Amino acid sequence: DAGITQSPRYKITETGRQVTLMCHQTWSHSYMFWYRQDLGHGLRLIYYSAAADITDKGEVPDGYVVSRSKTENFPLTLESATRSQTSVYFCASSRSGRKETQYFGPGTRLLVL
Amino acid sequence: GNSVTQMEGPVTLSEEAFLTINCTYTATGYPSLFWYVQYPGEGLQLLLKATKADDKGSNKGFEATYRKETTSFHLEKGSVQVSDSAVYFCALTLIKAAGNKLTFGGGTRVLVKP
Repeated sequence: DAGITQSPRYKITETGRQVTLMCHQTWSHSYMFWYRQDLGHGLRLIYYSAAADITDKGEVPDGYVVSRSKTENFPLTLESATRSQTSVYFCASSRSGRKETQYFGPGTRLLVL
Repeated sequence: GNSVTQMEGPVTLSEEAFLTINCTYTATGYPSLFWYVQYPGEGLQLLLKATKADDKGSNKGFEATYRKETTSFHLEKGSVQVSDSAVYFCALTLIKAAGNKLTFGGGTRVLVKP
């Protein structure tokens, strides 16, 4: 039972580079989410997806792009990384949109130099 | 808008002490409430939840009661262990056509010393 996985777990990049963080879940959950975790802010929602090919912005979407061509994958791309995007990124999934529990991946720690 | 406020940490306790972490919320509608725990170096795990007023969620010795009248969902444990050292997040979600987005509090770091 693989659950929800993220890759890479750690990434160092430079300002201006494009970075893609991967998220994969094996439960066939409809909903998937991307959060960033920063000291003093808790977790903030970047983007979410209700199903394949359906995505929507969260609280802090600027500078990020998502896609969802397959139900099980939900990659997050930083088109031109900035230092302010240094953070820990968590992917999550849930079975449906009706107050369902969200299950989180282990996180990706990203450092932008 | 919706928001969750929880006490700032760190909270430092001795083993077997009583733990309370306060959580209050504001929401348009009737939210479901959650406590998530994040152990060092790991992702968030659901600890417990409550979906309606007066519900009590419980797991691993932790309890929290959904208090609509005080808009609170305080987390308690009667006797903590070193292994309970973690960051605890209170969160809420509402039924919305666009999805069940979670709104998190800022997290409370708990350190239990032997």
